[in-house]
Amino acid sequence: AQSVTQLGSHVSVSEGALVLLRCNYSSSVPPYLFWYVQYPNQGLQLLLKYTTGATLVKGINGFEAEFKKSETSFHLTKPSAHMSDAAEYFCAVINTGGFKTIFGAGTRLFVKA
Amino acid sequence: GAGVSQSPSNKVTEKGKDVELRCDPISGHTALYWYRQSLGQGLEFLIYFQGNSAPDKSGLPSDRFSAERTGGSVSTLTIQRTQQEDSAVYLCASSAPRRDRARSGSSYNEQFFGPGTRLTVL
Repeated sequence: AQSVTQLGSHVSVSEGALVLLRCNYSSSVPPYLFWYVQYPNQGLQLLLKYTTGATLVKGINGFEAEFKKSETSFHLTKPSAHMSDAAEYFCAVINTGGFKTIFGAGTRLFVKA
Repeated sequence: GAGVSQSPSNKVTEKGKDVELRCDPISGHTALYWYRQSLGQGLEFLIYFQGNSAPDKSGLPSDRFSAERTGGSVSTLTIQRTQQEDSAVYLCASSAPRRDRARSGSSYNEQFFGPGTRLTVL
């Protein structure tokens, strides 16, 4: 069965600093992987996804993630944090069959001025 | 085109009352999902509809919860005899299968979420 683990329920960075949100997954098949962002009082919005091909995936708002099969990881990064990046971030994996999404517990990102 | 919409955006009810939450998916999306997000918690899967197949109800927490999807489009999540622990944000998402040509025969669902309904049970 698939599962997703996000290390750190809260991450705090200074504005302009590197953002690193960690995600590890388990899957018995080549995974489809996603990062979603949830701004306060809003639904989830897709940031980026890995399906196949290039392992470094670029998303919206300057975020990117790298699929590392050997480490079963899909960490989310952004070189320079902005105040507007403060939100909750969810890593997700699609289950076998492609229809059900397994979400991590989420990581809340705080950005300090 | 319009995204996923949910109504009401906020609902306050008294303990013991029934509530209905509505989700309008993106037109043409064959799959529809309901999730619950309690304060400070992640997403809890509730139920999943795919086309005309029987829904996957494995996430419904009790028999007070039910959902239906009429005509393959609009869905209603009903909570009977609400309890205070039902207070949460209820999120709906819809998707359509996307074929992955690089993985022959494989497809996946990319979900699009609505803004949610915040339910408060007093």
